[in-house]
Amino acid sequence: AQSVSQHNHHVILSEAASLELGCNYSYGGTVNLFWYVQYPGQHLQLLLKYFSGDPLVKGIKGFEAEFIKSKFSFNLRKPSVQWSDTAEYFCAVIRSGSARQLTFGSGTQLTVLP
Amino acid sequence: DAGVTQSPTHLIKTRGQQVTLRCSPISGHKSVSWYQQVLGQGPQFIFQYYEKEERGRGNFPDRFSARQFPNYSSELNVNALLLGDSALYLCASSLSGWSTGELFFGEGSRLTVL
Repeated sequence: AQSVSQHNHHVILSEAASLELGCNYSYGGTVNLFWYVQYPGQHLQLLLKYFSGDPLVKGIKGFEAEFIKSKFSFNLRKPSVQWSDTAEYFCAVIRSGSARQLTFGSGTQLTVLP
Repeated sequence: DAGVTQSPTHLIKTRGQQVTLRCSPISGHKSVSWYQQVLGQGPQFIFQYYEKEERGRGNFPDRFSARQFPNYSSELNVNALLLGDSALYLCASSLSGWSTGELFFGEGSRLTVL
């Protein structure tokens, strides 16, 4: 069975600091990859997704992620975080061509200090 | 446009009782998925329905069941509740039943089992 690991459970940064959240998955076949974000009191929202093509994917609010197939990784980055980026971030994987069964990581709580 | 709506938003049950959670997908979406999110963990896949047929089932006991109605709304039923069933239950809808595209999540139904 596929699994997703997010190694950072809680990250605390000051505004303007750079962010990188790690995500590794275990499935060896073709996958589609996602980052979801959950702002306080809000529902899960899609931040960005990778299906194929350029492994560097750009999402909303200045976030980007890089798919490195050889490392089974899909790390999330942002050059300069803002206080409004405080949220929980989830990496998720789905096997390409399968039914819509997302496997989520355990999440990373990001706190940005003003 | 209305997003994914779920009801009730909060509910408290006692062990052994039964619960029914409801979900209305975004208009035009034909696929509904259910996820369980236990505190401190990422969402776990329970069921996916597309065009009123079950397309996927996660690793949950038979006490969990679901169905999708002709208007594409869905219900999740949990029988013989256990303390461990306390969680946020998320519904997600999408246009199609396959892995491409975006899942849109509702705000969830928070179930507490005493």
